[in-house]
Amino acid sequence: EDQVTQSPEALRLQEGESSSLNCSYTVSGLRGLFWYRQDPGKGPEFLFTLYSAGEEKEKERLKATLTKKESFLHITAPKPEDSATYLCAVQGRGGSQGNLIFGKGTKLSVKP
Amino acid sequence: SQTIHQWPATLVQPVGSPLSLECTVEGTSNPNLYWYRQAAGRGLQLLFYSVGIGQISSEVPQNLSASRPQDRQFILSSKKLLLSDSGFYLCAWTSGARTQYFGPGTRLTVL
Repeated sequence: EDQVTQSPEALRLQEGESSSLNCSYTVSGLRGLFWYRQDPGKGPEFLFTLYSAGEEKEKERLKATLTKKESFLHITAPKPEDSATYLCAVQGRGGSQGNLIFGKGTKLSVKP
Repeated sequence: SQTIHQWPATLVQPVGSPLSLECTVEGTSNPNLYWYRQAAGRGLQLLFYSVGIGQISSEVPQNLSASRPQDRQFILSSKKLLLSDSGFYLCAWTSGARTQYFGPGTRLTVL
């Protein structure tokens, strides 16, 4: 069964304190791994798609990496506006048309 | 550019009442459309998806149904709401690429 586990559940950082969020997954044939950002009361906002182990993508202070078993979202010198819940999802070859399996998310709080 | 709309934004309904949530997409043709539910402390759960007009697949047996009367319109319905139907309902679309893009969501509270 496809599964996604995100850790930690919550992370508190001081502004400028870099850290990483983890997404561990088991999937039968990875078609894609997705990172989203979700602000309270809003829909998830797309950040990155990773397709194969060794792939990396960057956007401003965020960098996503992928191995065969996990993905990391690295946050460099975070700012208070980076506070949000970060969601990881995978799409496997065995699932329904485009079905994404989501983790429960990591809630990031960045204090000034 | 593509835009996805959902309404209403919030809804408070009594147990046993009907439900209709609407999702529309602009700027794309023949998208795949999805309904998810996000409950407190849980990940997003796929409820229904559609690859075309009138084509609906259900992922989880429940008190809800979905319909796609037009290419870019997706509707989530219920004849009688249960307390357990409360949650944050999200519509998403994809077209060709694997990435799904989400709408703003509808917060449903069943009392």
